[in-house]
Amino acid sequence: QITLKESGPTVVKPTQTLTLTCTYSGFSLKSSGVGVGWIRQPPGKALEWLALIYWDENQRFSPSLKSRLSITKDTSKNQVDLTLIKMDPVDTATYHCAHVFPGGYFDYWGPGTLVTVSS
Amino acid sequence: SYVLTQPPSVSVAPGKTATITCGGDSIGLKSVHWYQLKPGQAPVLVIYYDGDRPSGIPERFSGFSSGNTATLTISGVEAGDEAAYYCQVRDINSDQWVFGGGTELTVL
Repeated sequence: QITLKESGPTVVKPTQTLTLTCTYSGFSLKSSGVGVGWIRQPPGKALEWLALIYWDENQRFSPSLKSRLSITKDTSKNQVDLTLIKMDPVDTATYHCAHVFPGGYFDYWGPGTLVTVSS
Repeated sequence: SYVLTQPPSVSVAPGKTATITCGGDSIGLKSVHWYQLKPGQAPVLVIYYDGDRPSGIPERFSGFSSGNTATLTISGVEAGDEAAYYCQVRDINSDQWVFGGGTELTVL
């Protein structure tokens, strides 16, 4: 059974750096083709894909946020971290991590964590 | 970058058929996936590879993609189907993952 859960701060101040952790179980991020992605949803708005890390360390980023994002994995802890620098109120959103099926879709999602950017 | 266009909202009476479209340039050449989002819940994959259903998803959910339009069809709509639905593709050329703008399904 695959599960994922996001954790991290619920409030950050503008200009600060956000680091979120996705803790997963039920799969190995060492298996060929597997990945973990991050997706966010601002209140009342659409889903937005942010970043993805594959089993082989390859990373992909949303072009619009690439300069602010980084993603790492620690397979010994079954965790994937997402870092977003220079936070702004427009970054207020629910952030989800998800298991990436090698075929190109997100088949299991975490419940999400709401991050509010406010001074 | 690749863009997916969905209608903001669709309304349907219980028991009827809901059709949600997802437009994109030559989307029929890509694999399209659909997700259901309900407030406070994790998104759920309802259709993958254009028309395949994950286990546990009712047969009432079906999908098709051709040309510049992909379609999610929900037959015999129930009140519990009320949710936002998003299409998604992986743009192989750029290895970018793209979501549509989402469609709010209202069951009248």
